[in-house]
Order: sequence, then structure tokens, then C-alpha cells
Amino acid sequence: EIVLTQSPATLSLSPGQRATLSCRASQSVSTYLAWYQQKPGQAPSLLISDASNRATGVPARFSGSGSGTDFTLTISSLEPEDFAVYYCQQRSSALTFGGGTKVEIK
Amino acid sequence: QVQLVQSGAEVKKPGSSVKVSCKASGGTFDNYTVNWVRQAPGQGLEWVGGIIPGFHTANYAQRFKDRVTITADKSTSTAYMELNSLRSDDTAVYYCARDTWEKIGGGGHYFYYGMDVWGQGTTVTVSS
Repeated sequence: EIVLTQSPATLSLSPGQRATLSCRASQSVSTYLAWYQQKPGQAPSLLISDASNRATGVPARFSGSGSGTDFTLTISSLEPEDFAVYYCQQRSSALTFGGGTKVEIK
Repeated sequence: QVQLVQSGAEVKKPGSSVKVSCKASGGTFDNYTVNWVRQAPGQGLEWVGGIIPGFHTANYAQRFKDRVTITADKSTSTAYMELNSLRSDDTAVYYCARDTWEKIGGGGHYFYYGMDVWGQGTTVTVSS
């Protein structure tokens, strides 16, 4: 099973700051990686597909990069609605999720 | 725009089974895999398994493979997840979500579209 490790577990930032979230795979997943945002009481919502492609309707402040084993989700300038939990997910071999990064208001 | 509509909340006794449904509204499952993902209270997301309805081919996460059966009825655009021998730690919200790939160019690479449509979630509570 491919293990995805997200870091940090919690990111405390202020609105307007830049957020950098990391996802590392235990073996190469090529670019078969997606990022999701989840707010309390809601289903996850797709942000990034195939490692670096914004999903329909996702603001340009969200960007994804990486391939192989190391991936990054960047939020260029945090808006109040961006404080949430973010998950990476791979589809190279079966399907697994990372443990999540909570972006909280400092 | 397709929506995935799940069946309602369930309360079950330990050792029993639960069957959750996921119906595509406004579209079909054609060319998609329907996945089941669960989230225990306060925890992260966990893949249970998935099915390609057009091929009736299901894959399961190793830890669930002996207890779960995922099926699909193409005629009604409905997928089902049945979990047996329920335990208290199966208490969770269960989501269905679709994903797909597309072959890009002449080589072996695919574009992975991610899970772009999710159901609203079904709460399953296992308690004596």
C-alpha cells in the first residue's frame, strides 16, 4: 500500500499569508495525485487533479506542484474561507489518502 | 450536472450488516469509478473500495476486503456498499465519490481527474 505523509499536521496562519502544504508518497505515484479541501460537516471538495491542475471553479490562489514522491499545495494568500482541512490522495496503486493538514487561523 | 444522492442514516448493532446506496442524479456512472470513502468521527478520510459499474469490477482496500461488497446497477445508476460484521469502530460517515482517468497522447500516461463529485454522506452508527 502506498502511504502518503502530509506535513505539517497543523498550520497556523493569518489571512493574507501564504500556505505551503506538503504530501510525500512512500513510492512514486507519477502525477496521479489530487488535493481536497474539507470544511466541518461537509463532504470533501476537489481542488487539484493530476498533481497540478485546478478543478473547475477553484480560485487561482490555489496551486499544486510535484511529481513522483513529493507534492506541494500552495495557497498564495489565505482568504477567511480557506481555513479548513486539506487532504492529498493518490490513485497510482489502489487509492489512499494522506492524514490531512489543518489550516487554522492564527 | 450530475449529483450523487446517498441513502439515509443507519443505526446498527455490532455483528450486523449495513447496505448504503448511492444514486447518480442528472447523469450516469458511464466511464467512472464509484468509490466509497469513510470518515470516523474526528478522523481523516479512508478508502473502502470502488467499482467500475460498466464492468462490475470491484476493488477493495486490504483491511476491508473480507467484510465489504460493492455492487452497481447500471440500469438505475445506483451503486451499493454492504459492510458486514459491523464493529463499533465502523461508526463513521460513508461517502460515495466518482473519479476517472483519460489517456493522454500516444504514450502510457493518463490524466487523473480526481474525485470531482461526492455524495452527501451517510452516517452509520454501530452501537449495542
